[in-house]
Amino acid sequence: DAGITQSPRYKITETGRQVTLMCHQTWSHSYMFWYRQDLGHGLRLIYYSAAADITDKGEVPDGYVVSRSKTENFPLTLESATRSQTSVYFCASSEWSSGNTIYFGEGSWLTVV
Amino acid sequence: GNSVTQMEGPVTLSEEAFLTINCTYTATGYPSLFWYVQYPGEGLQLLLKATKADDKGSNKGFEATYRKETTSFHLEKGSVQVSDSAVYFCALTTGGGNKLTFGTGTQLKVEL
Repeated sequence: DAGITQSPRYKITETGRQVTLMCHQTWSHSYMFWYRQDLGHGLRLIYYSAAADITDKGEVPDGYVVSRSKTENFPLTLESATRSQTSVYFCASSEWSSGNTIYFGEGSWLTVV
Repeated sequence: GNSVTQMEGPVTLSEEAFLTINCTYTATGYPSLFWYVQYPGEGLQLLLKATKADDKGSNKGFEATYRKETTSFHLEKGSVQVSDSAVYFCALTTGGGNKLTFGTGTQLKVEL
């Protein structure tokens, strides 16, 4: 039972570079999410997807791009990384029903220098 | 909009002490409420949840009751262990979409 896997787990990149964080889930869950975790802010939603080819902005979408061509994959791209995007990024998934458990990946630690 | 307020940490307790972490919320509609736990270097794991008023979620000795009248979902455990040291997040979802709104997290440290 692989669940949700994120890659890379750790990444250091330079300002201005493009970075893609990968997320893969094995449950065929309808919903997928990207959150970032920062001290003092808890977790904030960046983007989410209700199904393949359907994505929508969350609370803090600026500077990020997502796609979902297949149900199981939901990559997050930082088109031109900035230091303020240094954070821990969590991918998550859930079934469609309201109140269903949301399952999280182990996180991707990104440092932008 | 939706928001979740948690007590600030860190909370430091001795082993076998009683734990309460306060959580209150504001929400449109009828939220489902969750407690997630994050151990050092790991992702978030669901600890417990409640989907309607007066429901009690429980798991691993932790409990929380959905109180609509006080808009609260306080986390309690009767006797904490060192292994409970982690960051605890209160969260809610409303309507469809399962988009979680999180509190800022409360760090718990349990000492021998």
